[in-house]
Amino acid sequence: QKEVEQNSGPLSVPEGAIASLNCTYSDRGSQSFFWYRQYSGKSPELIMFIYSNGDKEDGRFTAQLNKASQYVSLLIRDSQPSDSATYLCAVNLDSGGYQKVTFGTGTKLQVIP
Amino acid sequence: EPEVTQTPSHQVTQMGQEVILRCVPISNHLYFYWYRQILGQKVEFLVSFYNNEISEKSEIFDDQFSVERPDGSNFTLKIRSTKLEDSAMYFCASLRDRAPGWNSPLHFGNGTRLTVT
Repeated sequence: QKEVEQNSGPLSVPEGAIASLNCTYSDRGSQSFFWYRQYSGKSPELIMFIYSNGDKEDGRFTAQLNKASQYVSLLIRDSQPSDSATYLCAVNLDSGGYQKVTFGTGTKLQVIP
Repeated sequence: EPEVTQTPSHQVTQMGQEVILRCVPISNHLYFYWYRQILGQKVEFLVSFYNNEISEKSEIFDDQFSVERPDGSNFTLKIRSTKLEDSAMYFCASLRDRAPGWNSPLHFGNGTRLTVT
């Protein structure tokens, strides 16, 4: 079964620390990978996407992809209380010409002031 | 920046009633989706729509559900006879035209909270 797996957390980190969020996926044909942030009661908001092996940095966020291990991660440096949210890993698969995005269950992050 | 808009933001209905959730995707997007999220649970794929037809649907999307793009701008999700377990946040999303590498992300609307009583 095609799945995206995340630890549901909560992951608690002190303010200013690095938060590390992890995700594994089962379908080797997956081609694009996204991290969304979701505040309670709100819609998912895209914060990063990556499609090549290695690291991609954007401000305080770094996405890491290892296709051989079917593993994608998100690092948040200098964590702030406003980063407290649920982080959703999403995987995009080209399914016969149609794009299908599958989400993990999300990891709840709590940044402690 | 263009947005996906959804209406209403909150819909309350009685069990057995029909509801229509409405979405206006971003104008130059070609792929459209409905997802739902039951409170405290994951975002679940319902259906994708491309070129005026369903391209894929999940096992959740049974005969009680239908989608339509009636006028080239709106994209609707209809639930024919709502059940208590249909209570959830429903998100519409759209994806832009396929680009080289087609790494265009989903753009979500703000969601419609459906409460079935």
